[in-house]
Amino acid sequence: DAGVTQSPTHLIKTRGQQVTLRCSPKSGHDTVSWYQQALGQGPQFIFQYYEEEERQRGNFPDRFSGHQYPNYSSELNVNALLLGDSALYLCASSDWQGRPQGTIYFGEGSWLTVV
Amino acid sequence: EDKVVQSPLSLVVHEGDTVTLNCSYEVTNFRSLLWYKQEKKAPTFLFMLTSSGIEKKSGRLSSILDKKELFSILNITATQTGDSAIYLCAPRGGGSNYKLTFGKGTLLTVNP
Repeated sequence: DAGVTQSPTHLIKTRGQQVTLRCSPKSGHDTVSWYQQALGQGPQFIFQYYEEEERQRGNFPDRFSGHQYPNYSSELNVNALLLGDSALYLCASSDWQGRPQGTIYFGEGSWLTVV
Repeated sequence: EDKVVQSPLSLVVHEGDTVTLNCSYEVTNFRSLLWYKQEKKAPTFLFMLTSSGIEKKSGRLSSILDKKELFSILNITATQTGDSAIYLCAPRGGGSNYKLTFGKGTLLTVNP
């Protein structure tokens, strides 16, 4: 049973560029959330997707956008990259339909460096 | 605004010691609290607590929740070097507040 998988694992981008990060949730999970974790900080909630809709959003600018596909996989897009966007981006999945308070599992993350 | 404070922020102990990690929180429509261990990348799930006073145990780790006083503790007995990691506490809301709110975590270093 595959867990949460994310790609790419590492990437380097230049200021002003755009990036797309991808996530496949754990088998049987229908809800995907994205978190940003800067060095020395806990993960910060970006947004959550359920049934292909953004259900909740954290305090992030609209340069951060996402998408969920019918197979529950998800993308995080960041436009006009800033140096401060350098962080570990974590995808988390859970089974909302079955258990609204079910366990949330995290992927290995994508390390983004903006230079 | 939802808030989580973990203490201590860092802790250095010797193998065999017992440690207690603290987490206090304020979360809208609180429903549950999750503990994670983060070694390099992915936070790995340890416990989910939903009821006050019921201790969850897994080997040398245990955790308890106090919903009245809004805190949780994570205990690790007979620590091993493999316990070295960042421990993250994350309460979760309900209603329309679905997210996990994280503190900065506690960095635990276990020396041989």
